Amino acid sequence: DTAVSQTPKYLVTQMGNDKSIKCEQNLGHDTMYWYKQDSKKFLKIMFSYNNKELIINETVPNRFSPKSPDKAHLNLHINSLELGDSAVYFCASSQEPDQTYEQYFGPGTRLTVT
Amino acid sequence: GNSVTQMEGPVTLSEEAFLTINCTYTATGYPSLFWYVQYPGEGLQLLLKATKADDKGSNKGFEATYRKETTSFHLEKGSVQVSDSAVYFCALSKTSYDKVIFGPGTSLSVIP
Repeated sequence: DTAVSQTPKYLVTQMGNDKSIKCEQNLGHDTMYWYKQDSKKFLKIMFSYNNKELIINETVPNRFSPKSPDKAHLNLHINSLELGDSAVYFCASSQEPDQTYEQYFGPGTRLTVT
Repeated sequence: GNSVTQMEGPVTLSEEAFLTINCTYTATGYPSLFWYVQYPGEGLQLLLKATKADDKGSNKGFEATYRKETTSFHLEKGSVQVSDSAVYFCALSKTSYDKVIFGPGTSLSVIP
């Protein structure tokens, strides 16, 4: 059984387009995250939700908008895509917002903007 | 601010060699410390963690000891295998409700 799943796995699109990445977890966790990993493998948190409420909102362009319809899902919508948005985006979840708890990561979505 | 520094990679070792990946951190107080591993084409997985000074985290033959005096959390394994080839991330969380800060990652390649 997949614990944290993301779709799509690969996404190739042109500058200026709008795209969404979906994430689902079947672990019963309360907290979900979006991370961005650049080409040098540097990983940075973007957002965190706990029970559908936003609790971490890092300094990211407001072209990025997370949406959590329920606590098992956290989607990421990106407007007006730019070349610099090319990266691997990881969804993760944890049992609680307590950051000492293990985070479970999805397989990643590789976004390429041309 | 809080930060994590890791030794630069890539690190290439022969099978059964001893592994050390250095990690030092900057943070006030007593953060929780983690090592995550990312195998090729996959997401990160928690390898081990320590939540207070002098704690030793261990898993799958890997160990790391939380050293408050040197602000370090070095990862060690006595005998690496080809299957250990991956990127290793040191990370910290200053408080229970603070974001996890990841180091830049260290790529390890183990050759037969």
